[in-house]
Amino acid sequence: AQSVTQPDIHITVSEGASLELRCNYSYGATPYLFWYVQSPGQGLQLLLKYFSGDTLVQGIKGFEAEFKRSPSSFNLRKPSVHWSDAAEYFCAVGAGTSGTYKYIFGTGTRLKVLA
Amino acid sequence: NAGVMQNPRHLVRRRGQEARLRCSPMKGHSHVYWYRQLPEEGLKFMVYLQKENIIDESGMPKERFSAEFPKEGPSILRIQQVVRGDSAAYFCASSPPPGANEQYFGPGTRLTVT
Repeated sequence: AQSVTQPDIHITVSEGASLELRCNYSYGATPYLFWYVQSPGQGLQLLLKYFSGDTLVQGIKGFEAEFKRSPSSFNLRKPSVHWSDAAEYFCAVGAGTSGTYKYIFGTGTRLKVLA
Repeated sequence: NAGVMQNPRHLVRRRGQEARLRCSPMKGHSHVYWYRQLPEEGLKFMVYLQKENIIDESGMPKERFSAEFPKEGPSILRIQQVVRGDSAAYFCASSPPPGANEQYFGPGTRLTVT
């Protein structure tokens, strides 16, 4: 069965420090992978996506992620965190018997940024 | 180009009442998806609709929940006889016709059942 695991529930980093948020996935075929960010009381904004091709994906706001098959991971990185990056981050995989529309989300990682 | 719109943003209902959540997809999008986010959890898929068709409702509870996407107007998620466990954030997403896999999410409706 398809699944997404985000091992870290909370992460705290200092402003200016580097960031890596972990995402492990389980999916039989080539997955469609996404990272979304959710600010308090807001909807989800797409940071980046992987469908195929280059395994290093660049997104908005200076984020990037690297697709790996073994072990299966799609970790999100940012070289220097800004205070405005404090939010909750969700990794998702597109799944479904007839397509990839049924997104499966991880439980999220809440990022706190120290000034 | 307006994004996905949902209303109301906040909805309070007493136990036993009905909740109606509306979603207007992005212009040009004909596919709508509903997800539910319980407190401290990730989003869970509920249903996938195209105009006048339910494509996949495998994530919908068997009772009290229904969804529609009529030919004209917004998609509606309807919850009858709400219970406290229905309190959650309900997100709608939309995507263009087949071939695109990226879903665009609305701001969500936060339902509180008292």
